[in-house]
Amino acid sequence: GAGVSQSPSNKVTEKGKDVELRCDPISGHTALYWYRQSLGQGLEFLIYFQGNSAPDKSGLPSDRFSAERTGGSVSTLTIQRTQQEDSAVYLCASSPRTGGYTEAFFGQGTRLTVV
Amino acid sequence: DAKTTQPPSMDCAEGRAANLPCNHSTISGNEYVYWYRQIHSQGPQYIIHGLKNNETNEMASLIITEDRKSSTLILPHATLRDTAVYYCIVRVLTSGSRLTFGEGTQLTVNP
Repeated sequence: GAGVSQSPSNKVTEKGKDVELRCDPISGHTALYWYRQSLGQGLEFLIYFQGNSAPDKSGLPSDRFSAERTGGSVSTLTIQRTQQEDSAVYLCASSPRTGGYTEAFFGQGTRLTVV
Repeated sequence: DAKTTQPPSMDCAEGRAANLPCNHSTISGNEYVYWYRQIHSQGPQYIIHGLKNNETNEMASLIITEDRKSSTLILPHATLRDTAVYYCIVRVLTSGSRLTFGEGTQLTVNP
């Protein structure tokens, strides 16, 4: 389809392992956002990309979290040494351009469970 | 970004209009009002946005007061599928501005 695609849709990992979450934005969208949503909680901003650069990474909760974007397209969110509090749905969104006049399109998310 | 205040929950009868209020008394001149919704277990979905004029699209209408300190999202004929958390967001018109989601309003449409 033409929407934002995230993979895997579900991931169960053991505490202490590293995980990689992938986001394929809508083709041609220059802005890309990562959010997470813990069970029963609101959406928490993590990081924003404009092209391949990340001008706003202020939402990353610790240095165990990192993200990159290559070719102005696919983005990978990596969580090292996962902890149980990392369990959440990780959502990716893309937008045609930055600025307050465009909407963001969200994927269905990756549900991460750390056991 | 300006802070928004929404009621935590609302109920609406199927087929009736759902009117969801939002207060944003500290909104600045270059901030747009955006509405998103999140149906259970799905990613948020854009609904509508506006600056100062009322807006309408196929999903909803957005009414912004003249002083821009509050707005109302109107779903003219609510259906059961409109049950969701509705988020009102004000967003600065600068590059790289994030969407800051608050707690939103849980709208329940009853048969």
